[in-house]
Amino acid sequence: GAVVSQHPSRVICKSGTSVKIECRSLDFQATTMFWYRQFPKQSLMLMATSNEGSKATYEQGVEKDKFLINHASLTLSTLTVTSAHPEDSSFYICSAKRQGGNQPQHFGDGTRLSIL
Amino acid sequence: AQTVTQSQPEMSVQEAETVTLSCTYDTSESDYYLFWYKQPPSRQMILVIRQEAYKQQNATENRFSVNFQKAAKSFSLKISDSQLGDAAMYFCAYRSAGSNFGNEKLTFGTGTRLTIIP
Repeated sequence: GAVVSQHPSRVICKSGTSVKIECRSLDFQATTMFWYRQFPKQSLMLMATSNEGSKATYEQGVEKDKFLINHASLTLSTLTVTSAHPEDSSFYICSAKRQGGNQPQHFGDGTRLSIL
Repeated sequence: AQTVTQSQPEMSVQEAETVTLSCTYDTSESDYYLFWYKQPPSRQMILVIRQEAYKQQNATENRFSVNFQKAAKSFSLKISDSQLGDAAMYFCAYRSAGSNFGNEKLTFGTGTRLTIIP
């Protein structure tokens, strides 16, 4: 199997709070993890790609200092939304991938972030 | 840059019937992968089927099959014997081949919402 666990599933917090979202590959080693953002009724937009032990590569327009990504091990990546504001409210989804060119991405269940 | 287009925002099909979802893409690459993902109301993205561009044979997974037309850059998904559990958003996605770090990201289409009519 290829199970990816994402936690928490739902966060509601006040503006100015920093929020950490965890993404874990439960039964495989994920050399690469991805973080996506999805607005209502829209597609997934890639925010950043990370390899274990190295800095994340951010997509154009994504603020590195705003969305901190840490890929500390082969089974865990974290996304921290720093000083969150209402415009950061969204659905965030992670995915993980084994090493190898033809390996697919396996997705977590997503985190709904609501900033009041 | 690659782009993926899904021209059908919504589709509906009678239960047990067959439905085809369309997807076209634009790329200058010759080797790549194509995917169909399903996102039910629970919001989890589930891999339905994938196709390697170098393979001429269309991929099949039980009731799901694709019609891959490389020259036309078309990658449609056919769902046979539609079931109520097939109701979801379906996303077509493109990925470059090769093991370079930058090749691994997926480019998604805008999705097609599939409704199954009992």
